[in-house]
Amino acid sequence: GAGVSQSPSNKVTEKGKDVELRCDPISGHTALYWYRQRLGQGLEFLIYFQGNSAPDKSGLPSDRFSAERTGESVSTLTIQRTQQEDSAVYLCASSLGFGDIQYFGPGTRLTVT
Amino acid sequence: DAKTTQPNSMESNEEEPVHLPCNHSTISGTDYIHWYRQLPSQGPEYVIHGLTSNVNNRMASLAIAEDRKSSTLILHRATLRDAAVYYCILRANFGNEKLTFGTGTRLTIIP
Repeated sequence: GAGVSQSPSNKVTEKGKDVELRCDPISGHTALYWYRQRLGQGLEFLIYFQGNSAPDKSGLPSDRFSAERTGESVSTLTIQRTQQEDSAVYLCASSLGFGDIQYFGPGTRLTVT
Repeated sequence: DAKTTQPNSMESNEEEPVHLPCNHSTISGTDYIHWYRQLPSQGPEYVIHGLTSNVNNRMASLAIAEDRKSSTLILHRATLRDAAVYYCILRANFGNEKLTFGTGTRLTIIP
């Protein structure tokens, strides 16, 4: 079946602009996660959703970052007033439910110039 | 989450077994040991996980020490496609949905 998809695959934006990154989880997966991976580093947890609710927003780096999920499906990660330090690969994952294996998408490579 | 310690890098010859170690001396009784790997330019993928007993699946085997303070991921016959960064992660059984990734072990396969 279809895996987790993310769009766009690459995004180049100017400093100060807003960006939206999209994640389509595997159908039927109730949990969805966002991670960030800077060049040469491990993954950094940002936020997760159980259904449409986000019980843990502790990983969001600043108030410029926000995320939402609708219909227990698609999620959007929004970064306002992008900064150069926001440049990274943003990865989305989904899992069937609580504590299950996470399946990752291919990521969106964000470059802020 | 309790922390894990892995070597930064390892090399192995193609078609030979690979043993990737992970130390987790502060593991709690309810922590599962998960392994994910990340192939170049891809998102991570699940490899295997276990609690106390050794585990086998089509990708690998997981050997867990009796005191659970360390574990070893075993690739029985490495191929070039196994070149990746391997992450050993502890995950609480309840109340924690996120995976805390360290820097992992970069595995290089020598043809």
